[in-house]
Amino acid sequence: DTAVSQTPKYLVTQMGNDKSIKCEQNLGHDTMYWYKQDSKKFLKIMFSYNNKELIINETVPNRFSPKSPDKAHLNLHINSLELGDSAVYFCASSGQGPGAEAFFGQGTRLTVV
Amino acid sequence: QQQVKQSPQSLIVQKGGISIINCAYENTAFDYFPWYQQFPGKGPALLIAIRPDVSEKKEGRFTISFNKSAKQFSLHIMDSQPGDSATYFCAATYSNDYKLSFGAGTTVTVRA
Repeated sequence: DTAVSQTPKYLVTQMGNDKSIKCEQNLGHDTMYWYKQDSKKFLKIMFSYNNKELIINETVPNRFSPKSPDKAHLNLHINSLELGDSAVYFCASSGQGPGAEAFFGQGTRLTVV
Repeated sequence: QQQVKQSPQSLIVQKGGISIINCAYENTAFDYFPWYQQFPGKGPALLIAIRPDVSEKKEGRFTISFNKSAKQFSLHIMDSQPGDSATYFCAATYSNDYKLSFGAGTTVTVRA
C-alpha cells in the first residue's frame, strides 16, 4: 500500500488552463503539505494543512488554491497556468506535531506548454 | 532567502569511497536536522536525522556530524555503493514549526 499517493504522475497542459492534482495519505497523519521542486531540484514548501486547517501559505500566487476535504486528502488546484509553473509538485504528510518526519509522494511532473 | 546552504552541488566518488556533503544554517532556533535521499522519479525519503544535543549520529554507512557552535552539519557516506547514487538534501526545522527548509541538494554519483 502506498503511504502518500498523488495523481496524476504526469500532467502536460497549455498555458491558461486550470488543472488539479490530488493527494491522499493512509498513514493517519494530521498534517499534509505541498512542496514544489524546480528544474534545479530545489524544494520549497507551498502550503501546509493541519487537521484540515491551513497553517502555512508561503507567498504562493493566488492562482494556487489548496483544498483539504478531510485529514487524509489535500488537493491542489491551479488556475490560469503559466510557463513558470512547470515543476514537480510533491505532496507530503507528517504526524506527531511539528518537526516530525515527512513522508513524500512520488510527485506530479507538471509541464505547461 | 535560503535558510540552509548545502555544498557541493554534485560529487562523483568511486565505489568504496567516502562521500561528504556539508550544510550550514543561520537560524539558531532550528533544532531538528534531517537528511533526505531522492532517487530519480521518486519523492524524497528520510535517510537519517539529528538533534543538536548530540554531535554525531550513525546509521549503518551513513553518519551525520553536527557542530552547533559553527552552525554546520554534514553527511558522510562510508563505503559508497552504486545504489547510493541519488540526490541528497539536508534540511532544518524547529519543534513548533511545520515546514522543512531544504538545502539546494547534492547529486552523488558512485562509479563502480
